[in-house]
Amino acid sequence: KAGVTQTPRYLIKTRGQQVTLSCSPISGHRSVSWYQQTPGQGLQFLFEYFSETQRNKGNFPGRFSGRQFSNSRSEMNVSTLELGDSALYLCASSFGGGNTIYFGEGSWLTVV
Amino acid sequence: SQKIEQNSEALNIQEGKTATLTCNYTNYSPAYLQWYRQDPGRGPVFLLLIRENEKEKRKERLKVTFDTTLKQSLFHITASQPADSATYLCALVGTGGGNKLTFGTGTQLKVEL
Repeated sequence: KAGVTQTPRYLIKTRGQQVTLSCSPISGHRSVSWYQQTPGQGLQFLFEYFSETQRNKGNFPGRFSGRQFSNSRSEMNVSTLELGDSALYLCASSFGGGNTIYFGEGSWLTVV
Repeated sequence: SQKIEQNSEALNIQEGKTATLTCNYTNYSPAYLQWYRQDPGRGPVFLLLIRENEKEKRKERLKVTFDTTLKQSLFHITASQPADSATYLCALVGTGGGNKLTFGTGTQLKVEL
């Protein structure tokens, strides 16, 4: 079956712009989470959505937001981009709590 | 604060040997723990999940142990191969519900011929 699909795979943005990343979870999965990975901070949790509701939130500023649609697809948005937002953004899905969590290949964001 | 530590140094071993990776945590009460493999530029790939009431799990050449008293998990790869070379991450999920994974920093494993 198809895995977690993220688009776009690579993108370059300018400081101050905003960006929207998309994630299609594995069919049947209702939980979608987002993570940021940087060399300095490693993998950090951004937020989790379950049945269109945000269930958990990490320690990121309000510039980072997300949403989930009725078909479980999710988007995350980063507004007013900063150089430090350059990272690999990973989406993960699972059936729900206590189940295996599967990751997509990520979206590489470079802010210049 | 919660802390998850993995071997910060890279681990180099010879092909055929058993690789043992360590994951220690503090100030955390995990409901379960997962191990992932990550290759450069790729997303983490799920390997094994072990719950707080389980001591050991196996899958093919992989074995993970979970000691909630020591607050430690060990991840073993037996009969290691060069193709096992990657970064291995442990991640914990707390008892509060949901799927918030807290990751360790990862251990880079290199299996040499």
